[in-house]
Amino acid sequence: DTGVSQNPRHKITKRGQNVTFRCDPISEHNRLYWYRQTLGQGPEFLTYFQNEAQLEKSRLLSDRFSAERPKGSFSTLEIQRTEQGDSAMYLCASSAPGTGSEQYFGPGTRLTVT
Amino acid sequence: GDSVTQMEGPVTLSEEAFLTINCTYTATGYPSLFWYVQYPGEGLQLLLKATKADDKGSNKGFEATYRKETTSFHLEKGSVQVSDSAVYFCALKIEKTGANNLFFGTGTRLTVIP
Repeated sequence: DTGVSQNPRHKITKRGQNVTFRCDPISEHNRLYWYRQTLGQGPEFLTYFQNEAQLEKSRLLSDRFSAERPKGSFSTLEIQRTEQGDSAMYLCASSAPGTGSEQYFGPGTRLTVT
Repeated sequence: GDSVTQMEGPVTLSEEAFLTINCTYTATGYPSLFWYVQYPGEGLQLLLKATKADDKGSNKGFEATYRKETTSFHLEKGSVQVSDSAVYFCALKIEKTGANNLFFGTGTRLTVIP
């Protein structure tokens, strides 16, 4: 297993366009997290899946954002009508079942909205 | 709310110098504490963790002790190397039903010069 993967690694889009990112977690991990990291800041939690169920969403996740994990494996994060303030690194992490399990992070997708 | 305050950087040290990066936290429950490291061009990696008061996490020569009385989890290394140059993030997690997401500090960039 090569760890958590994310695609694309970089995305440049024009304001108002929609973008979609994909995360492939470690295969036996049932928990999946999305975080956003802006320049000079630490990652901030966006949303959490346990298997295919989206169980928590941060207030940072506006109605322009939607995330899915249809079969409990990979996940997608879509941003509609992108704004310049959406420019950030979007990080995905996964963890195994059980209390105290470590979150493993992917390399991230860097979004630039022009 | 739950939050982490981390020593601001950047920090520049000569090789073999002693490193301390301060981290304090505020938590509504009993958190687990973490240090993550982000090497240039790579994803976040767990460096060390401690799950209860007075626990010491250690890895690769780095250490941090969970101090409940001072709500701190300072990162230390006795002799840094050029290869330690990276961004270091302090984080906490409250074990509870639900996301168990991480709360991160803003990160401290360390540069070690030969």
